[in-house]
Amino acid sequence: GAVVSQHPSWVICKSGTSVKIECRSLDFQATTMFWYRQFPKQSLMLMATSNEGSKATYEQGVEKDKFLINHASLTLSTLTVTSAHPEDSSFYICSAGVGRLDTQYFGPGTRLTVL
Amino acid sequence: DAKTTQPPSMDCAEGRAANLPCNHSTISGNEYVYWYRQIHSQGPQYIIHGLKNNETNEMASLIITEDRKSSTLILPHATLRDTAVYYCIVRARGNRDDKIIFGKGTRLHILP
Repeated sequence: GAVVSQHPSWVICKSGTSVKIECRSLDFQATTMFWYRQFPKQSLMLMATSNEGSKATYEQGVEKDKFLINHASLTLSTLTVTSAHPEDSSFYICSAGVGRLDTQYFGPGTRLTVL
Repeated sequence: DAKTTQPPSMDCAEGRAANLPCNHSTISGNEYVYWYRQIHSQGPQYIIHGLKNNETNEMASLIITEDRKSSTLILPHATLRDTAVYYCIVRARGNRDDKIIFGKGTRLHILP
């Protein structure tokens, strides 16, 4: 199947700093990528849809000024958590679609810990 | 809200077939059934998808009822590495704006 990578795989930062997470489609181009957040023992929650060359679409309750999404190319989307706080600590996962059915493939996830 | 209903957990003996059910009674004609699994602390892994015919690949088989209101994922010979949370998802085909909404999934325990 298609490969989606994320970088970094884990990050620890101080409260108030910003953290950037990259999501790359390695062997295909993706005009749309999705960003999810997962808290311990919970399911994935969709945060936003990242659209290449245009603004992201955020789900209700997700602060667009706090979670900045940039989809600058067909193989790269970035999620920046601005002014991170301990409650932003979570597992962040991206996905990208490929093929006629836009079957989604997921990255390995990034674990963010805010101290 | 998720469009699917799954049992919260299931056990299966190693080497036996694991049959995971999913109800999707409100599925639309253009929606596919997808199955993913998530092993602890990893991103979800694609398993299989189907529209109305039964499907099989190297990982699993997918059986969809004739009315398409439910389906079953079959892992033919479960191993300990199949312990994971399994998600059943319905999604329209080819529509890049169609979101994937995850339900709570089924936590499958493979017993040695």
